Amino acid sequence: EAQVTQNPRYLITVTGKKLTVTCSQNMNHEYMSWYRQDPGLGLRQIYYSMNVEVTDKGDVPEGYKVSRKEKRNFPLILESPSPNQTSLYFCASAPRGGGRSPLHFGNGTRLTVT
Amino acid sequence: GENVEQHPSTLSVQEGDSAVIKCTYSDSASNYFPWYKQELGKRPQLIIDIRSNVGEKKDQRIAVTLNKTAKHFSLHITETQPEDSAVYFCAASGGVTGNQFYFGTGTSLTVIP
Repeated sequence: EAQVTQNPRYLITVTGKKLTVTCSQNMNHEYMSWYRQDPGLGLRQIYYSMNVEVTDKGDVPEGYKVSRKEKRNFPLILESPSPNQTSLYFCASAPRGGGRSPLHFGNGTRLTVT
Repeated sequence: GENVEQHPSTLSVQEGDSAVIKCTYSDSASNYFPWYKQELGKRPQLIIDIRSNVGEKKDQRIAVTLNKTAKHFSLHITETQPEDSAVYFCAASGGVTGNQFYFGTGTSLTVIP
């Protein structure tokens, strides 16, 4: 089944403890991206990647890192999480970049930082 | 970058009535406009999209219209059903920044049986 898989679905952590949220897609998509969803703010793009070893900042990249060493994987790294990063996170992929094809979303990761 | 505004933030309709959600965008170079439906606790899923070379697109009870001159696009749902209740997001992409997607803040639609 074609899908975007995120893990974990739920994560509770403490301020400053490094964490990684994994994202993997099995559709051979070139484009992958991360979003955070907060009430009243919609979906905001954190980082995106056009292809392997190519990553770019979105609108809210502060406090996050990403890597794209393989085409299928695009992990989101929080080196020192803070409470304002408590949010619902979605990974998404698309066949190609350039904003020309629809995004396929993962099931989301609800992160709580205390 | 692009700025996408979406209205209304909440919308209640009687079953069988129509629902309209409107979005405006600021970047005249944006050329791809998808709409996503997000049911409670689930991921956003594409329901319809339109490209800038098309003025209208329909898929059964759902339609999207695009006015490039005014820089706005709208989602129309006819003969609404309770299962249409969800949060709907519009988005714009392909503009000056090219590879980014910009989302509206969402519309919570409730269809009253």
